[in-house]
Amino acid sequence: KQEVTQIPAALSVPEGENLVLNCSFTDSAIYNLQWFRQDPGKGLTSLLLIQSSQREQTSGRLNASLDKSSGRSTLYIAASQPGDSATYLCAVRGDTGTASKLTFGTGTRLQVTL
Amino acid sequence: NAGVTQTPKFRVLKTGQSMTLLCAQDMNHEYMYWYRQDPGMGLRLIHYSVGEGTTAKGEVPDGYNVSRLKKQNFLLGLESAAPSQTSVYFCASRGYTQYFGPGTRLTVL
Repeated sequence: KQEVTQIPAALSVPEGENLVLNCSFTDSAIYNLQWFRQDPGKGLTSLLLIQSSQREQTSGRLNASLDKSSGRSTLYIAASQPGDSATYLCAVRGDTGTASKLTFGTGTRLQVTL
Repeated sequence: NAGVTQTPKFRVLKTGQSMTLLCAQDMNHEYMYWYRQDPGMGLRLIHYSVGEGTTAKGEVPDGYNVSRLKKQNFLLGLESAAPSQTSVYFCASRGYTQYFGPGTRLTVL
């Protein structure tokens, strides 16, 4: 059974700092990996999706990398801003009969302070 | 383009009562999902559908039923609510990526 772990569970950084969020998964047979953002009391918004054949994806100040063989992904946020404060969730999609399902981590709660 | 919408946004039930949560999407997606989100446990899949008229069990299906009579709608039913079903429920549909609704916060007393 796939398990997804995110470390740290919470993180507080001053504005302007670059930061890295970590995600690890136990089964490397994945179809893709996604990073989501969740604001308090809201639904999830997809940030980046990395296919299993890709090593990284970039969107603005966000860069996500994937090392499938070691079961790891990182989300790099450059020049953090208070508006980046949210919970960031990592999710993997399997590549077998469960291909239509995502397995989520429990998230990293990020606070960017002024 | 509304994306994924959920009705209602909040609900309080007494133990044993029943209710239906409605999810609607206007993106013509085949795949739809119901998740529950609990503190410290992440999102867990309850049921999902790969197309109109189909449903399948997810990770935590007990106590819930679903129906997908129309492609754009996915209904989640609780026949006899229990306090353990207090949670935030999210619906999602899948195109290239997964799109989530705003959630329904359910409390069962």
